[in-house]
Amino acid sequence: AQTVTQSQPEMSVQEAETVTLSCTYDTSESDYYLFWYKQPPSRQMILVIRQEAYKQQNATENRFSVNFQKAAKSFSLKISDSQLGDAAMYFCAYGNSGYSTLTFGKGTMLLVSP
Amino acid sequence: GAGVSQSPRYKVAKRGQDVALRCDPISGHVSLFWYQQALGQGPEFLTYFQNEAQLDKSGLPSDRFFAERPEGSVSTLKIQRTQQEDSAVYLCASSPRRRNYGYTFGSGTRLTVV
Repeated sequence: AQTVTQSQPEMSVQEAETVTLSCTYDTSESDYYLFWYKQPPSRQMILVIRQEAYKQQNATENRFSVNFQKAAKSFSLKISDSQLGDAAMYFCAYGNSGYSTLTFGKGTMLLVSP
Repeated sequence: GAGVSQSPRYKVAKRGQDVALRCDPISGHVSLFWYQQALGQGPEFLTYFQNEAQLDKSGLPSDRFFAERPEGSVSTLKIQRTQQEDSAVYLCASSPRRRNYGYTFGSGTRLTVV
């Protein structure tokens, strides 16, 4: 079974600074997807960024980028130029290449201060 | 609709009561998932539908939990004889594809069993 570990229960960053959230996972599959989701107090899970395991190039979405290290099974999220609206719970998730389910980590609460 | 809609947003049930939670996915989305999110945890998979077919229900915690999607659109998650440990946020998600490219989540139903 796949597992996802987020070792940072909480992280803090100042506005305009950069922060990195860590995630490691365990799988025996070679083809899979990794995701970062943001969950604000409204509870809706919002997809931040997606990485296909077969792609060596790290995914980027505006201020969000990942450092995907397949051999190390590591998938960290970097948020540049942090904004107050980035404050939320962030979940790392793993999904097989088929239709199947997502396995989530326990989340990292990101606090952003002015 | 524009997003995944879930109702009710909040539900308080007395222990032993039956509840029904509704999910209205994005129109045309083939795949529909239910997840359970306990306080302070990441979402955990409950069940998956592809159109009206329930292809995976391995995450349902007991036979008190039942889900259906009779016409391949709206889905209902029913919990019979609720217990305190059923208290959680129940998230629904849908995806236009059969393959795992990441879903769109609803805002969830927070169930409190007293």
